[in-house]
Amino acid sequence: AQSVTQLGSHVSVSEGALVLLRCNYSSSVPPYLFWYVQYPNQGLQLLLKYTSAATLVKGINGFEAEFKKSETSFHLTKPSAHMRDAAEYFCAVISENSNYQLIWGAGTKLIIKP
Amino acid sequence: EAGVAQSPRYKIIEKRQSVAFWCNPISGHATLYWYQQILGQGPKLLIQFQNNGVVDDSQLPKDRFSAERLKGVDSTLKIQPAKLEDSAVYLCASSLLGLYYEQYFGPGTRLTVT
Repeated sequence: AQSVTQLGSHVSVSEGALVLLRCNYSSSVPPYLFWYVQYPNQGLQLLLKYTSAATLVKGINGFEAEFKKSETSFHLTKPSAHMRDAAEYFCAVISENSNYQLIWGAGTKLIIKP
Repeated sequence: EAGVAQSPRYKIIEKRQSVAFWCNPISGHATLYWYQQILGQGPKLLIQFQNNGVVDDSQLPKDRFSAERLKGVDSTLKIQPAKLEDSAVYLCASSLLGLYYEQYFGPGTRLTVT
């Protein structure tokens, strides 16, 4: 069965430091992968998506993610964290069924220390 | 372009009462999703509509939850009777149909059952 694993329910970094949020997936077909962000009391917003074109995907707010097939990973990074990046981040993969549903990770809460 | 609209934003009810949530998707989006998001978890799909037909409702607790999408646009999700464990955020999302199309989320309705 397909699954998405996000390592670390909470990640804490200092302002200005590198952000690295980990996502590993399992899929028997070429995956289509997404990162969403959820700010407090808001819905989810798409950060970026991988659809089998370039393996390095650039998103909004300075985030990017690299698809590594050999490692079944799609980690999210940002060179320099800002206080406004404090939010919960979700990784998701398109389901192998024909309904275009998303299989979600449990999320990682990013905490930014001043 | 207007986003996905949801109402109400917050609702507090007592157990065994009923409640209804409303969603208006982005214009032209044929696919509509209702999710339940419990604190600290990823979204759980409750029901997926394609136009006004149900594509998947396998995770909808049909003894107490119901949903409809009349005329293939607006949708309502109802809970009757509510249980304490229904306390969660209910998210509505919409998308175009296809592999590459991301889901757009509304702000959600936070339900508290006391």
